[in-house]
Amino acid sequence: NAGVMQNPRHLVRRRGQEARLRCSPMKGHSHVYWYRQLPEEGLKFMVYLQKENIIDESGMPKERFSAEFPKEGPSILRIQQVVRGDSAAYFCASSLGPSTGELFFGEGSRLTVL
Amino acid sequence: SQQGEEDPQALSIQEGENATMNCSYKTSINNLQWYRQNSGRGLVHLILIRSNEREKHSGRLRVTLDTSKKSSSLLITASRAADTASYFCATGGNNAGNMLTFGGGTRLMVKP
Repeated sequence: NAGVMQNPRHLVRRRGQEARLRCSPMKGHSHVYWYRQLPEEGLKFMVYLQKENIIDESGMPKERFSAEFPKEGPSILRIQQVVRGDSAAYFCASSLGPSTGELFFGEGSRLTVL
Repeated sequence: SQQGEEDPQALSIQEGENATMNCSYKTSINNLQWYRQNSGRGLVHLILIRSNEREKHSGRLRVTLDTSKKSSSLLITASRAADTASYFCATGGNNAGNMLTFGGGTRLMVKP
């Protein structure tokens, strides 16, 4: 029973390029959460999605960032025209239902913007 | 600002000693959870305590919750070098969904 799978684990982009981060939730989980973590800091909530729906994107920057969770395939966090400040670890988590409590995290995708 | 704030930010102890980490939060919660993160890795769930519970145990872990003071503590007894990690508290509110708000974490170092 595979856990939450994120790829790529490491991604290097130059300023102005696009970054796409993928997350496959645990089998049977239909709720996905994206968090961002800066070095030596806690996790900041970005967006909460269910299949084909964005439930809460209150933590997502209004520009350049978007997320989707299609009916088929992984959830995608897309960052357009990356800037150095986007360098961070991006974690995806999944849960079985909306109020089950525990989140299951992937190993993260570490984005470095040169 | 963060919902949960851990204290201390960093803690260094000797193997065998106990480690206590505290977490304070601001708004009403449904539950409070503690997670562990090894360097460069994802978060691993340790324990969840509901708002109507006061204390919970899991192996060498003991968590307390005081909703009147809006605080929680995580105690790791008889620490081991392998316990070296960052520990985060996370609060789940009354809103729909499992959205958790994380604190800044306590970086624990256990020296052998």
